[in-house]
Amino acid sequence: GAVVSQHPSWVICKSGTSVKIECRSLDFQATTMFWYRQFPKQSLMLMATSNEGSKATYEQGVEKDKFLINHASLTLSTLTVTSAHPEDSSFYICSARVLWGTGVDSPLHFGNGTRLTVT
Amino acid sequence: DQQVKQNSPSLSVQEGRISILNCDYTNSMFDYFLWYKKYPAEGPTFLISISSIKDKNEDGRFTVFLNKSAKHLSLHIVPSQPGDSAVYFCAATDTGKLIFGQGTTLQVKP
Repeated sequence: GAVVSQHPSWVICKSGTSVKIECRSLDFQATTMFWYRQFPKQSLMLMATSNEGSKATYEQGVEKDKFLINHASLTLSTLTVTSAHPEDSSFYICSARVLWGTGVDSPLHFGNGTRLTVT
Repeated sequence: DQQVKQNSPSLSVQEGRISILNCDYTNSMFDYFLWYKKYPAEGPTFLISISSIKDKNEDGRFTVFLNKSAKHLSLHIVPSQPGDSAVYFCAATDTGKLIFGQGTTLQVKP
C-alpha cells in the first residue's frame, strides 16, 4: 500500500530555534499533502494543505510565517517551525492521498508523526 | 464548533466480544466518512471508510454503519482482539479536507 514517510520521528529543540520536518510519499506522487497537529488527548487538527508548486493553504488561526511549508516536489513536503516556543510542542503528522480517480474516494495515508518538544 | 464528535473518550471490551465505537456529525454536507486507528507516538492508520450513498461497509472484522438521518456512524469490531487496543478516530469530509473527532481509546482485555 501507499507509504508516507515522516522524519524525524522526534526532536527536542531550544526555544527560539527552527525545526524542519520532512514528509515523503515513498511509492506514489502526491500533488497535495496535509499537515496536522495533535495535542495530547485531542483530535488531529488540520494546519495547512501543501500544494506542489504553489503556496500552501493555511487553516484559520495557523500562522503561516511561523509554520513554513514547502512542497518542492511531487514526493516531498516540509514543515518548518520557526522560532519555536514551548507552546509549539506537539505531535505533527503529515498525510497524502493517492488519487484513484475522482479524488475524494481514496483515504489519506499518514506518516508516523513527529514529536516536537521545545525546551 | 466541533463538527465531528466522539462522545465516549474510552471503551473497554473483553476479548472476543463486540466493540462498538460511535461518532456523530453536524454537517449534512459531509459525504465521505473514515475510521482511523492510532497507536501512541505513531500516525493514524486507515481502517475503513463509507460513502454517504451507502449505509454499511464491511471489511473482515470491521463494519462501519452510517445513519444519515441521525448523522451518526459507528464502527463495529467483531470479534475484538487485544491487538485492537488503540485510539480510534472517525473523520468526515465533503471537500477532501478531513475533520476528525476527538478519538475513543479502546482497550480489549484478554
